[in-house]
Amino acid sequence: GAVVSQHPSRVICKSGTSVKIECRSLDFQATTMFWYRQFPKKSLMLMATSNEGSKATYEQGVEKDKFLINHASLTLSTLTVTSAHPEDSSFYICSARDRRSYEQYFGPGTRLTVT
Amino acid sequence: SQQGEEDPQALSIQEGENATMNCSYKTSINNLQWYRQNSGRGLVHLILIRSNEREKHSGRLRVTLDTSKKSSSLLITASRAADTASYFCATHGDGNKLVFGAGTILRVKS
Repeated sequence: GAVVSQHPSRVICKSGTSVKIECRSLDFQATTMFWYRQFPKKSLMLMATSNEGSKATYEQGVEKDKFLINHASLTLSTLTVTSAHPEDSSFYICSARDRRSYEQYFGPGTRLTVT
Repeated sequence: SQQGEEDPQALSIQEGENATMNCSYKTSINNLQWYRQNSGRGLVHLILIRSNEREKHSGRLRVTLDTSKKSSSLLITASRAADTASYFCATHGDGNKLVFGAGTILRVKS
């Protein structure tokens, strides 16, 4: 089956620093990737839709300058949390849409803790 | 944004019992999917039901869809302790987006 990886799986950083999370589709090409955020015991909230070669589309209330998304290739999208604060601590999950089948596959998630 | 609500928010049952979770949504959809998530882990896709389907089975899972009521249910029969997880419905509308419901936390006691 199709595999989506995320790196790192866990990261702890200090307030004010920036953190980059990678999302890769390992055996398929994805023109569209999605970034979700999940708080403990809560559902997934879509943050943004990332399209290869173009700017990401952000959901209402999500700061694009805070959460920088780059989708430079058909297999890689990155989410950079800039000037992180403790309230940015969360579980971030990406998903990638296969350009051929349109199936959407999820990564294992990245646990971000900002101290 | 969240598409809708799921109920119950939490469900605790004994091993061997059936578990039923419900999901409601607000807009028109192309399909509805159910996912499982173990604590602190990623999502596992369980089943997809298209808008023109009313019922679908996969192993111990049974999903129904009522587009007139904009609701779906997930039934897990003969539950096992390993079924303990959070369950989410997610809907695909006309856009690219897959929008998730609030989820049900299922605990199966052995």
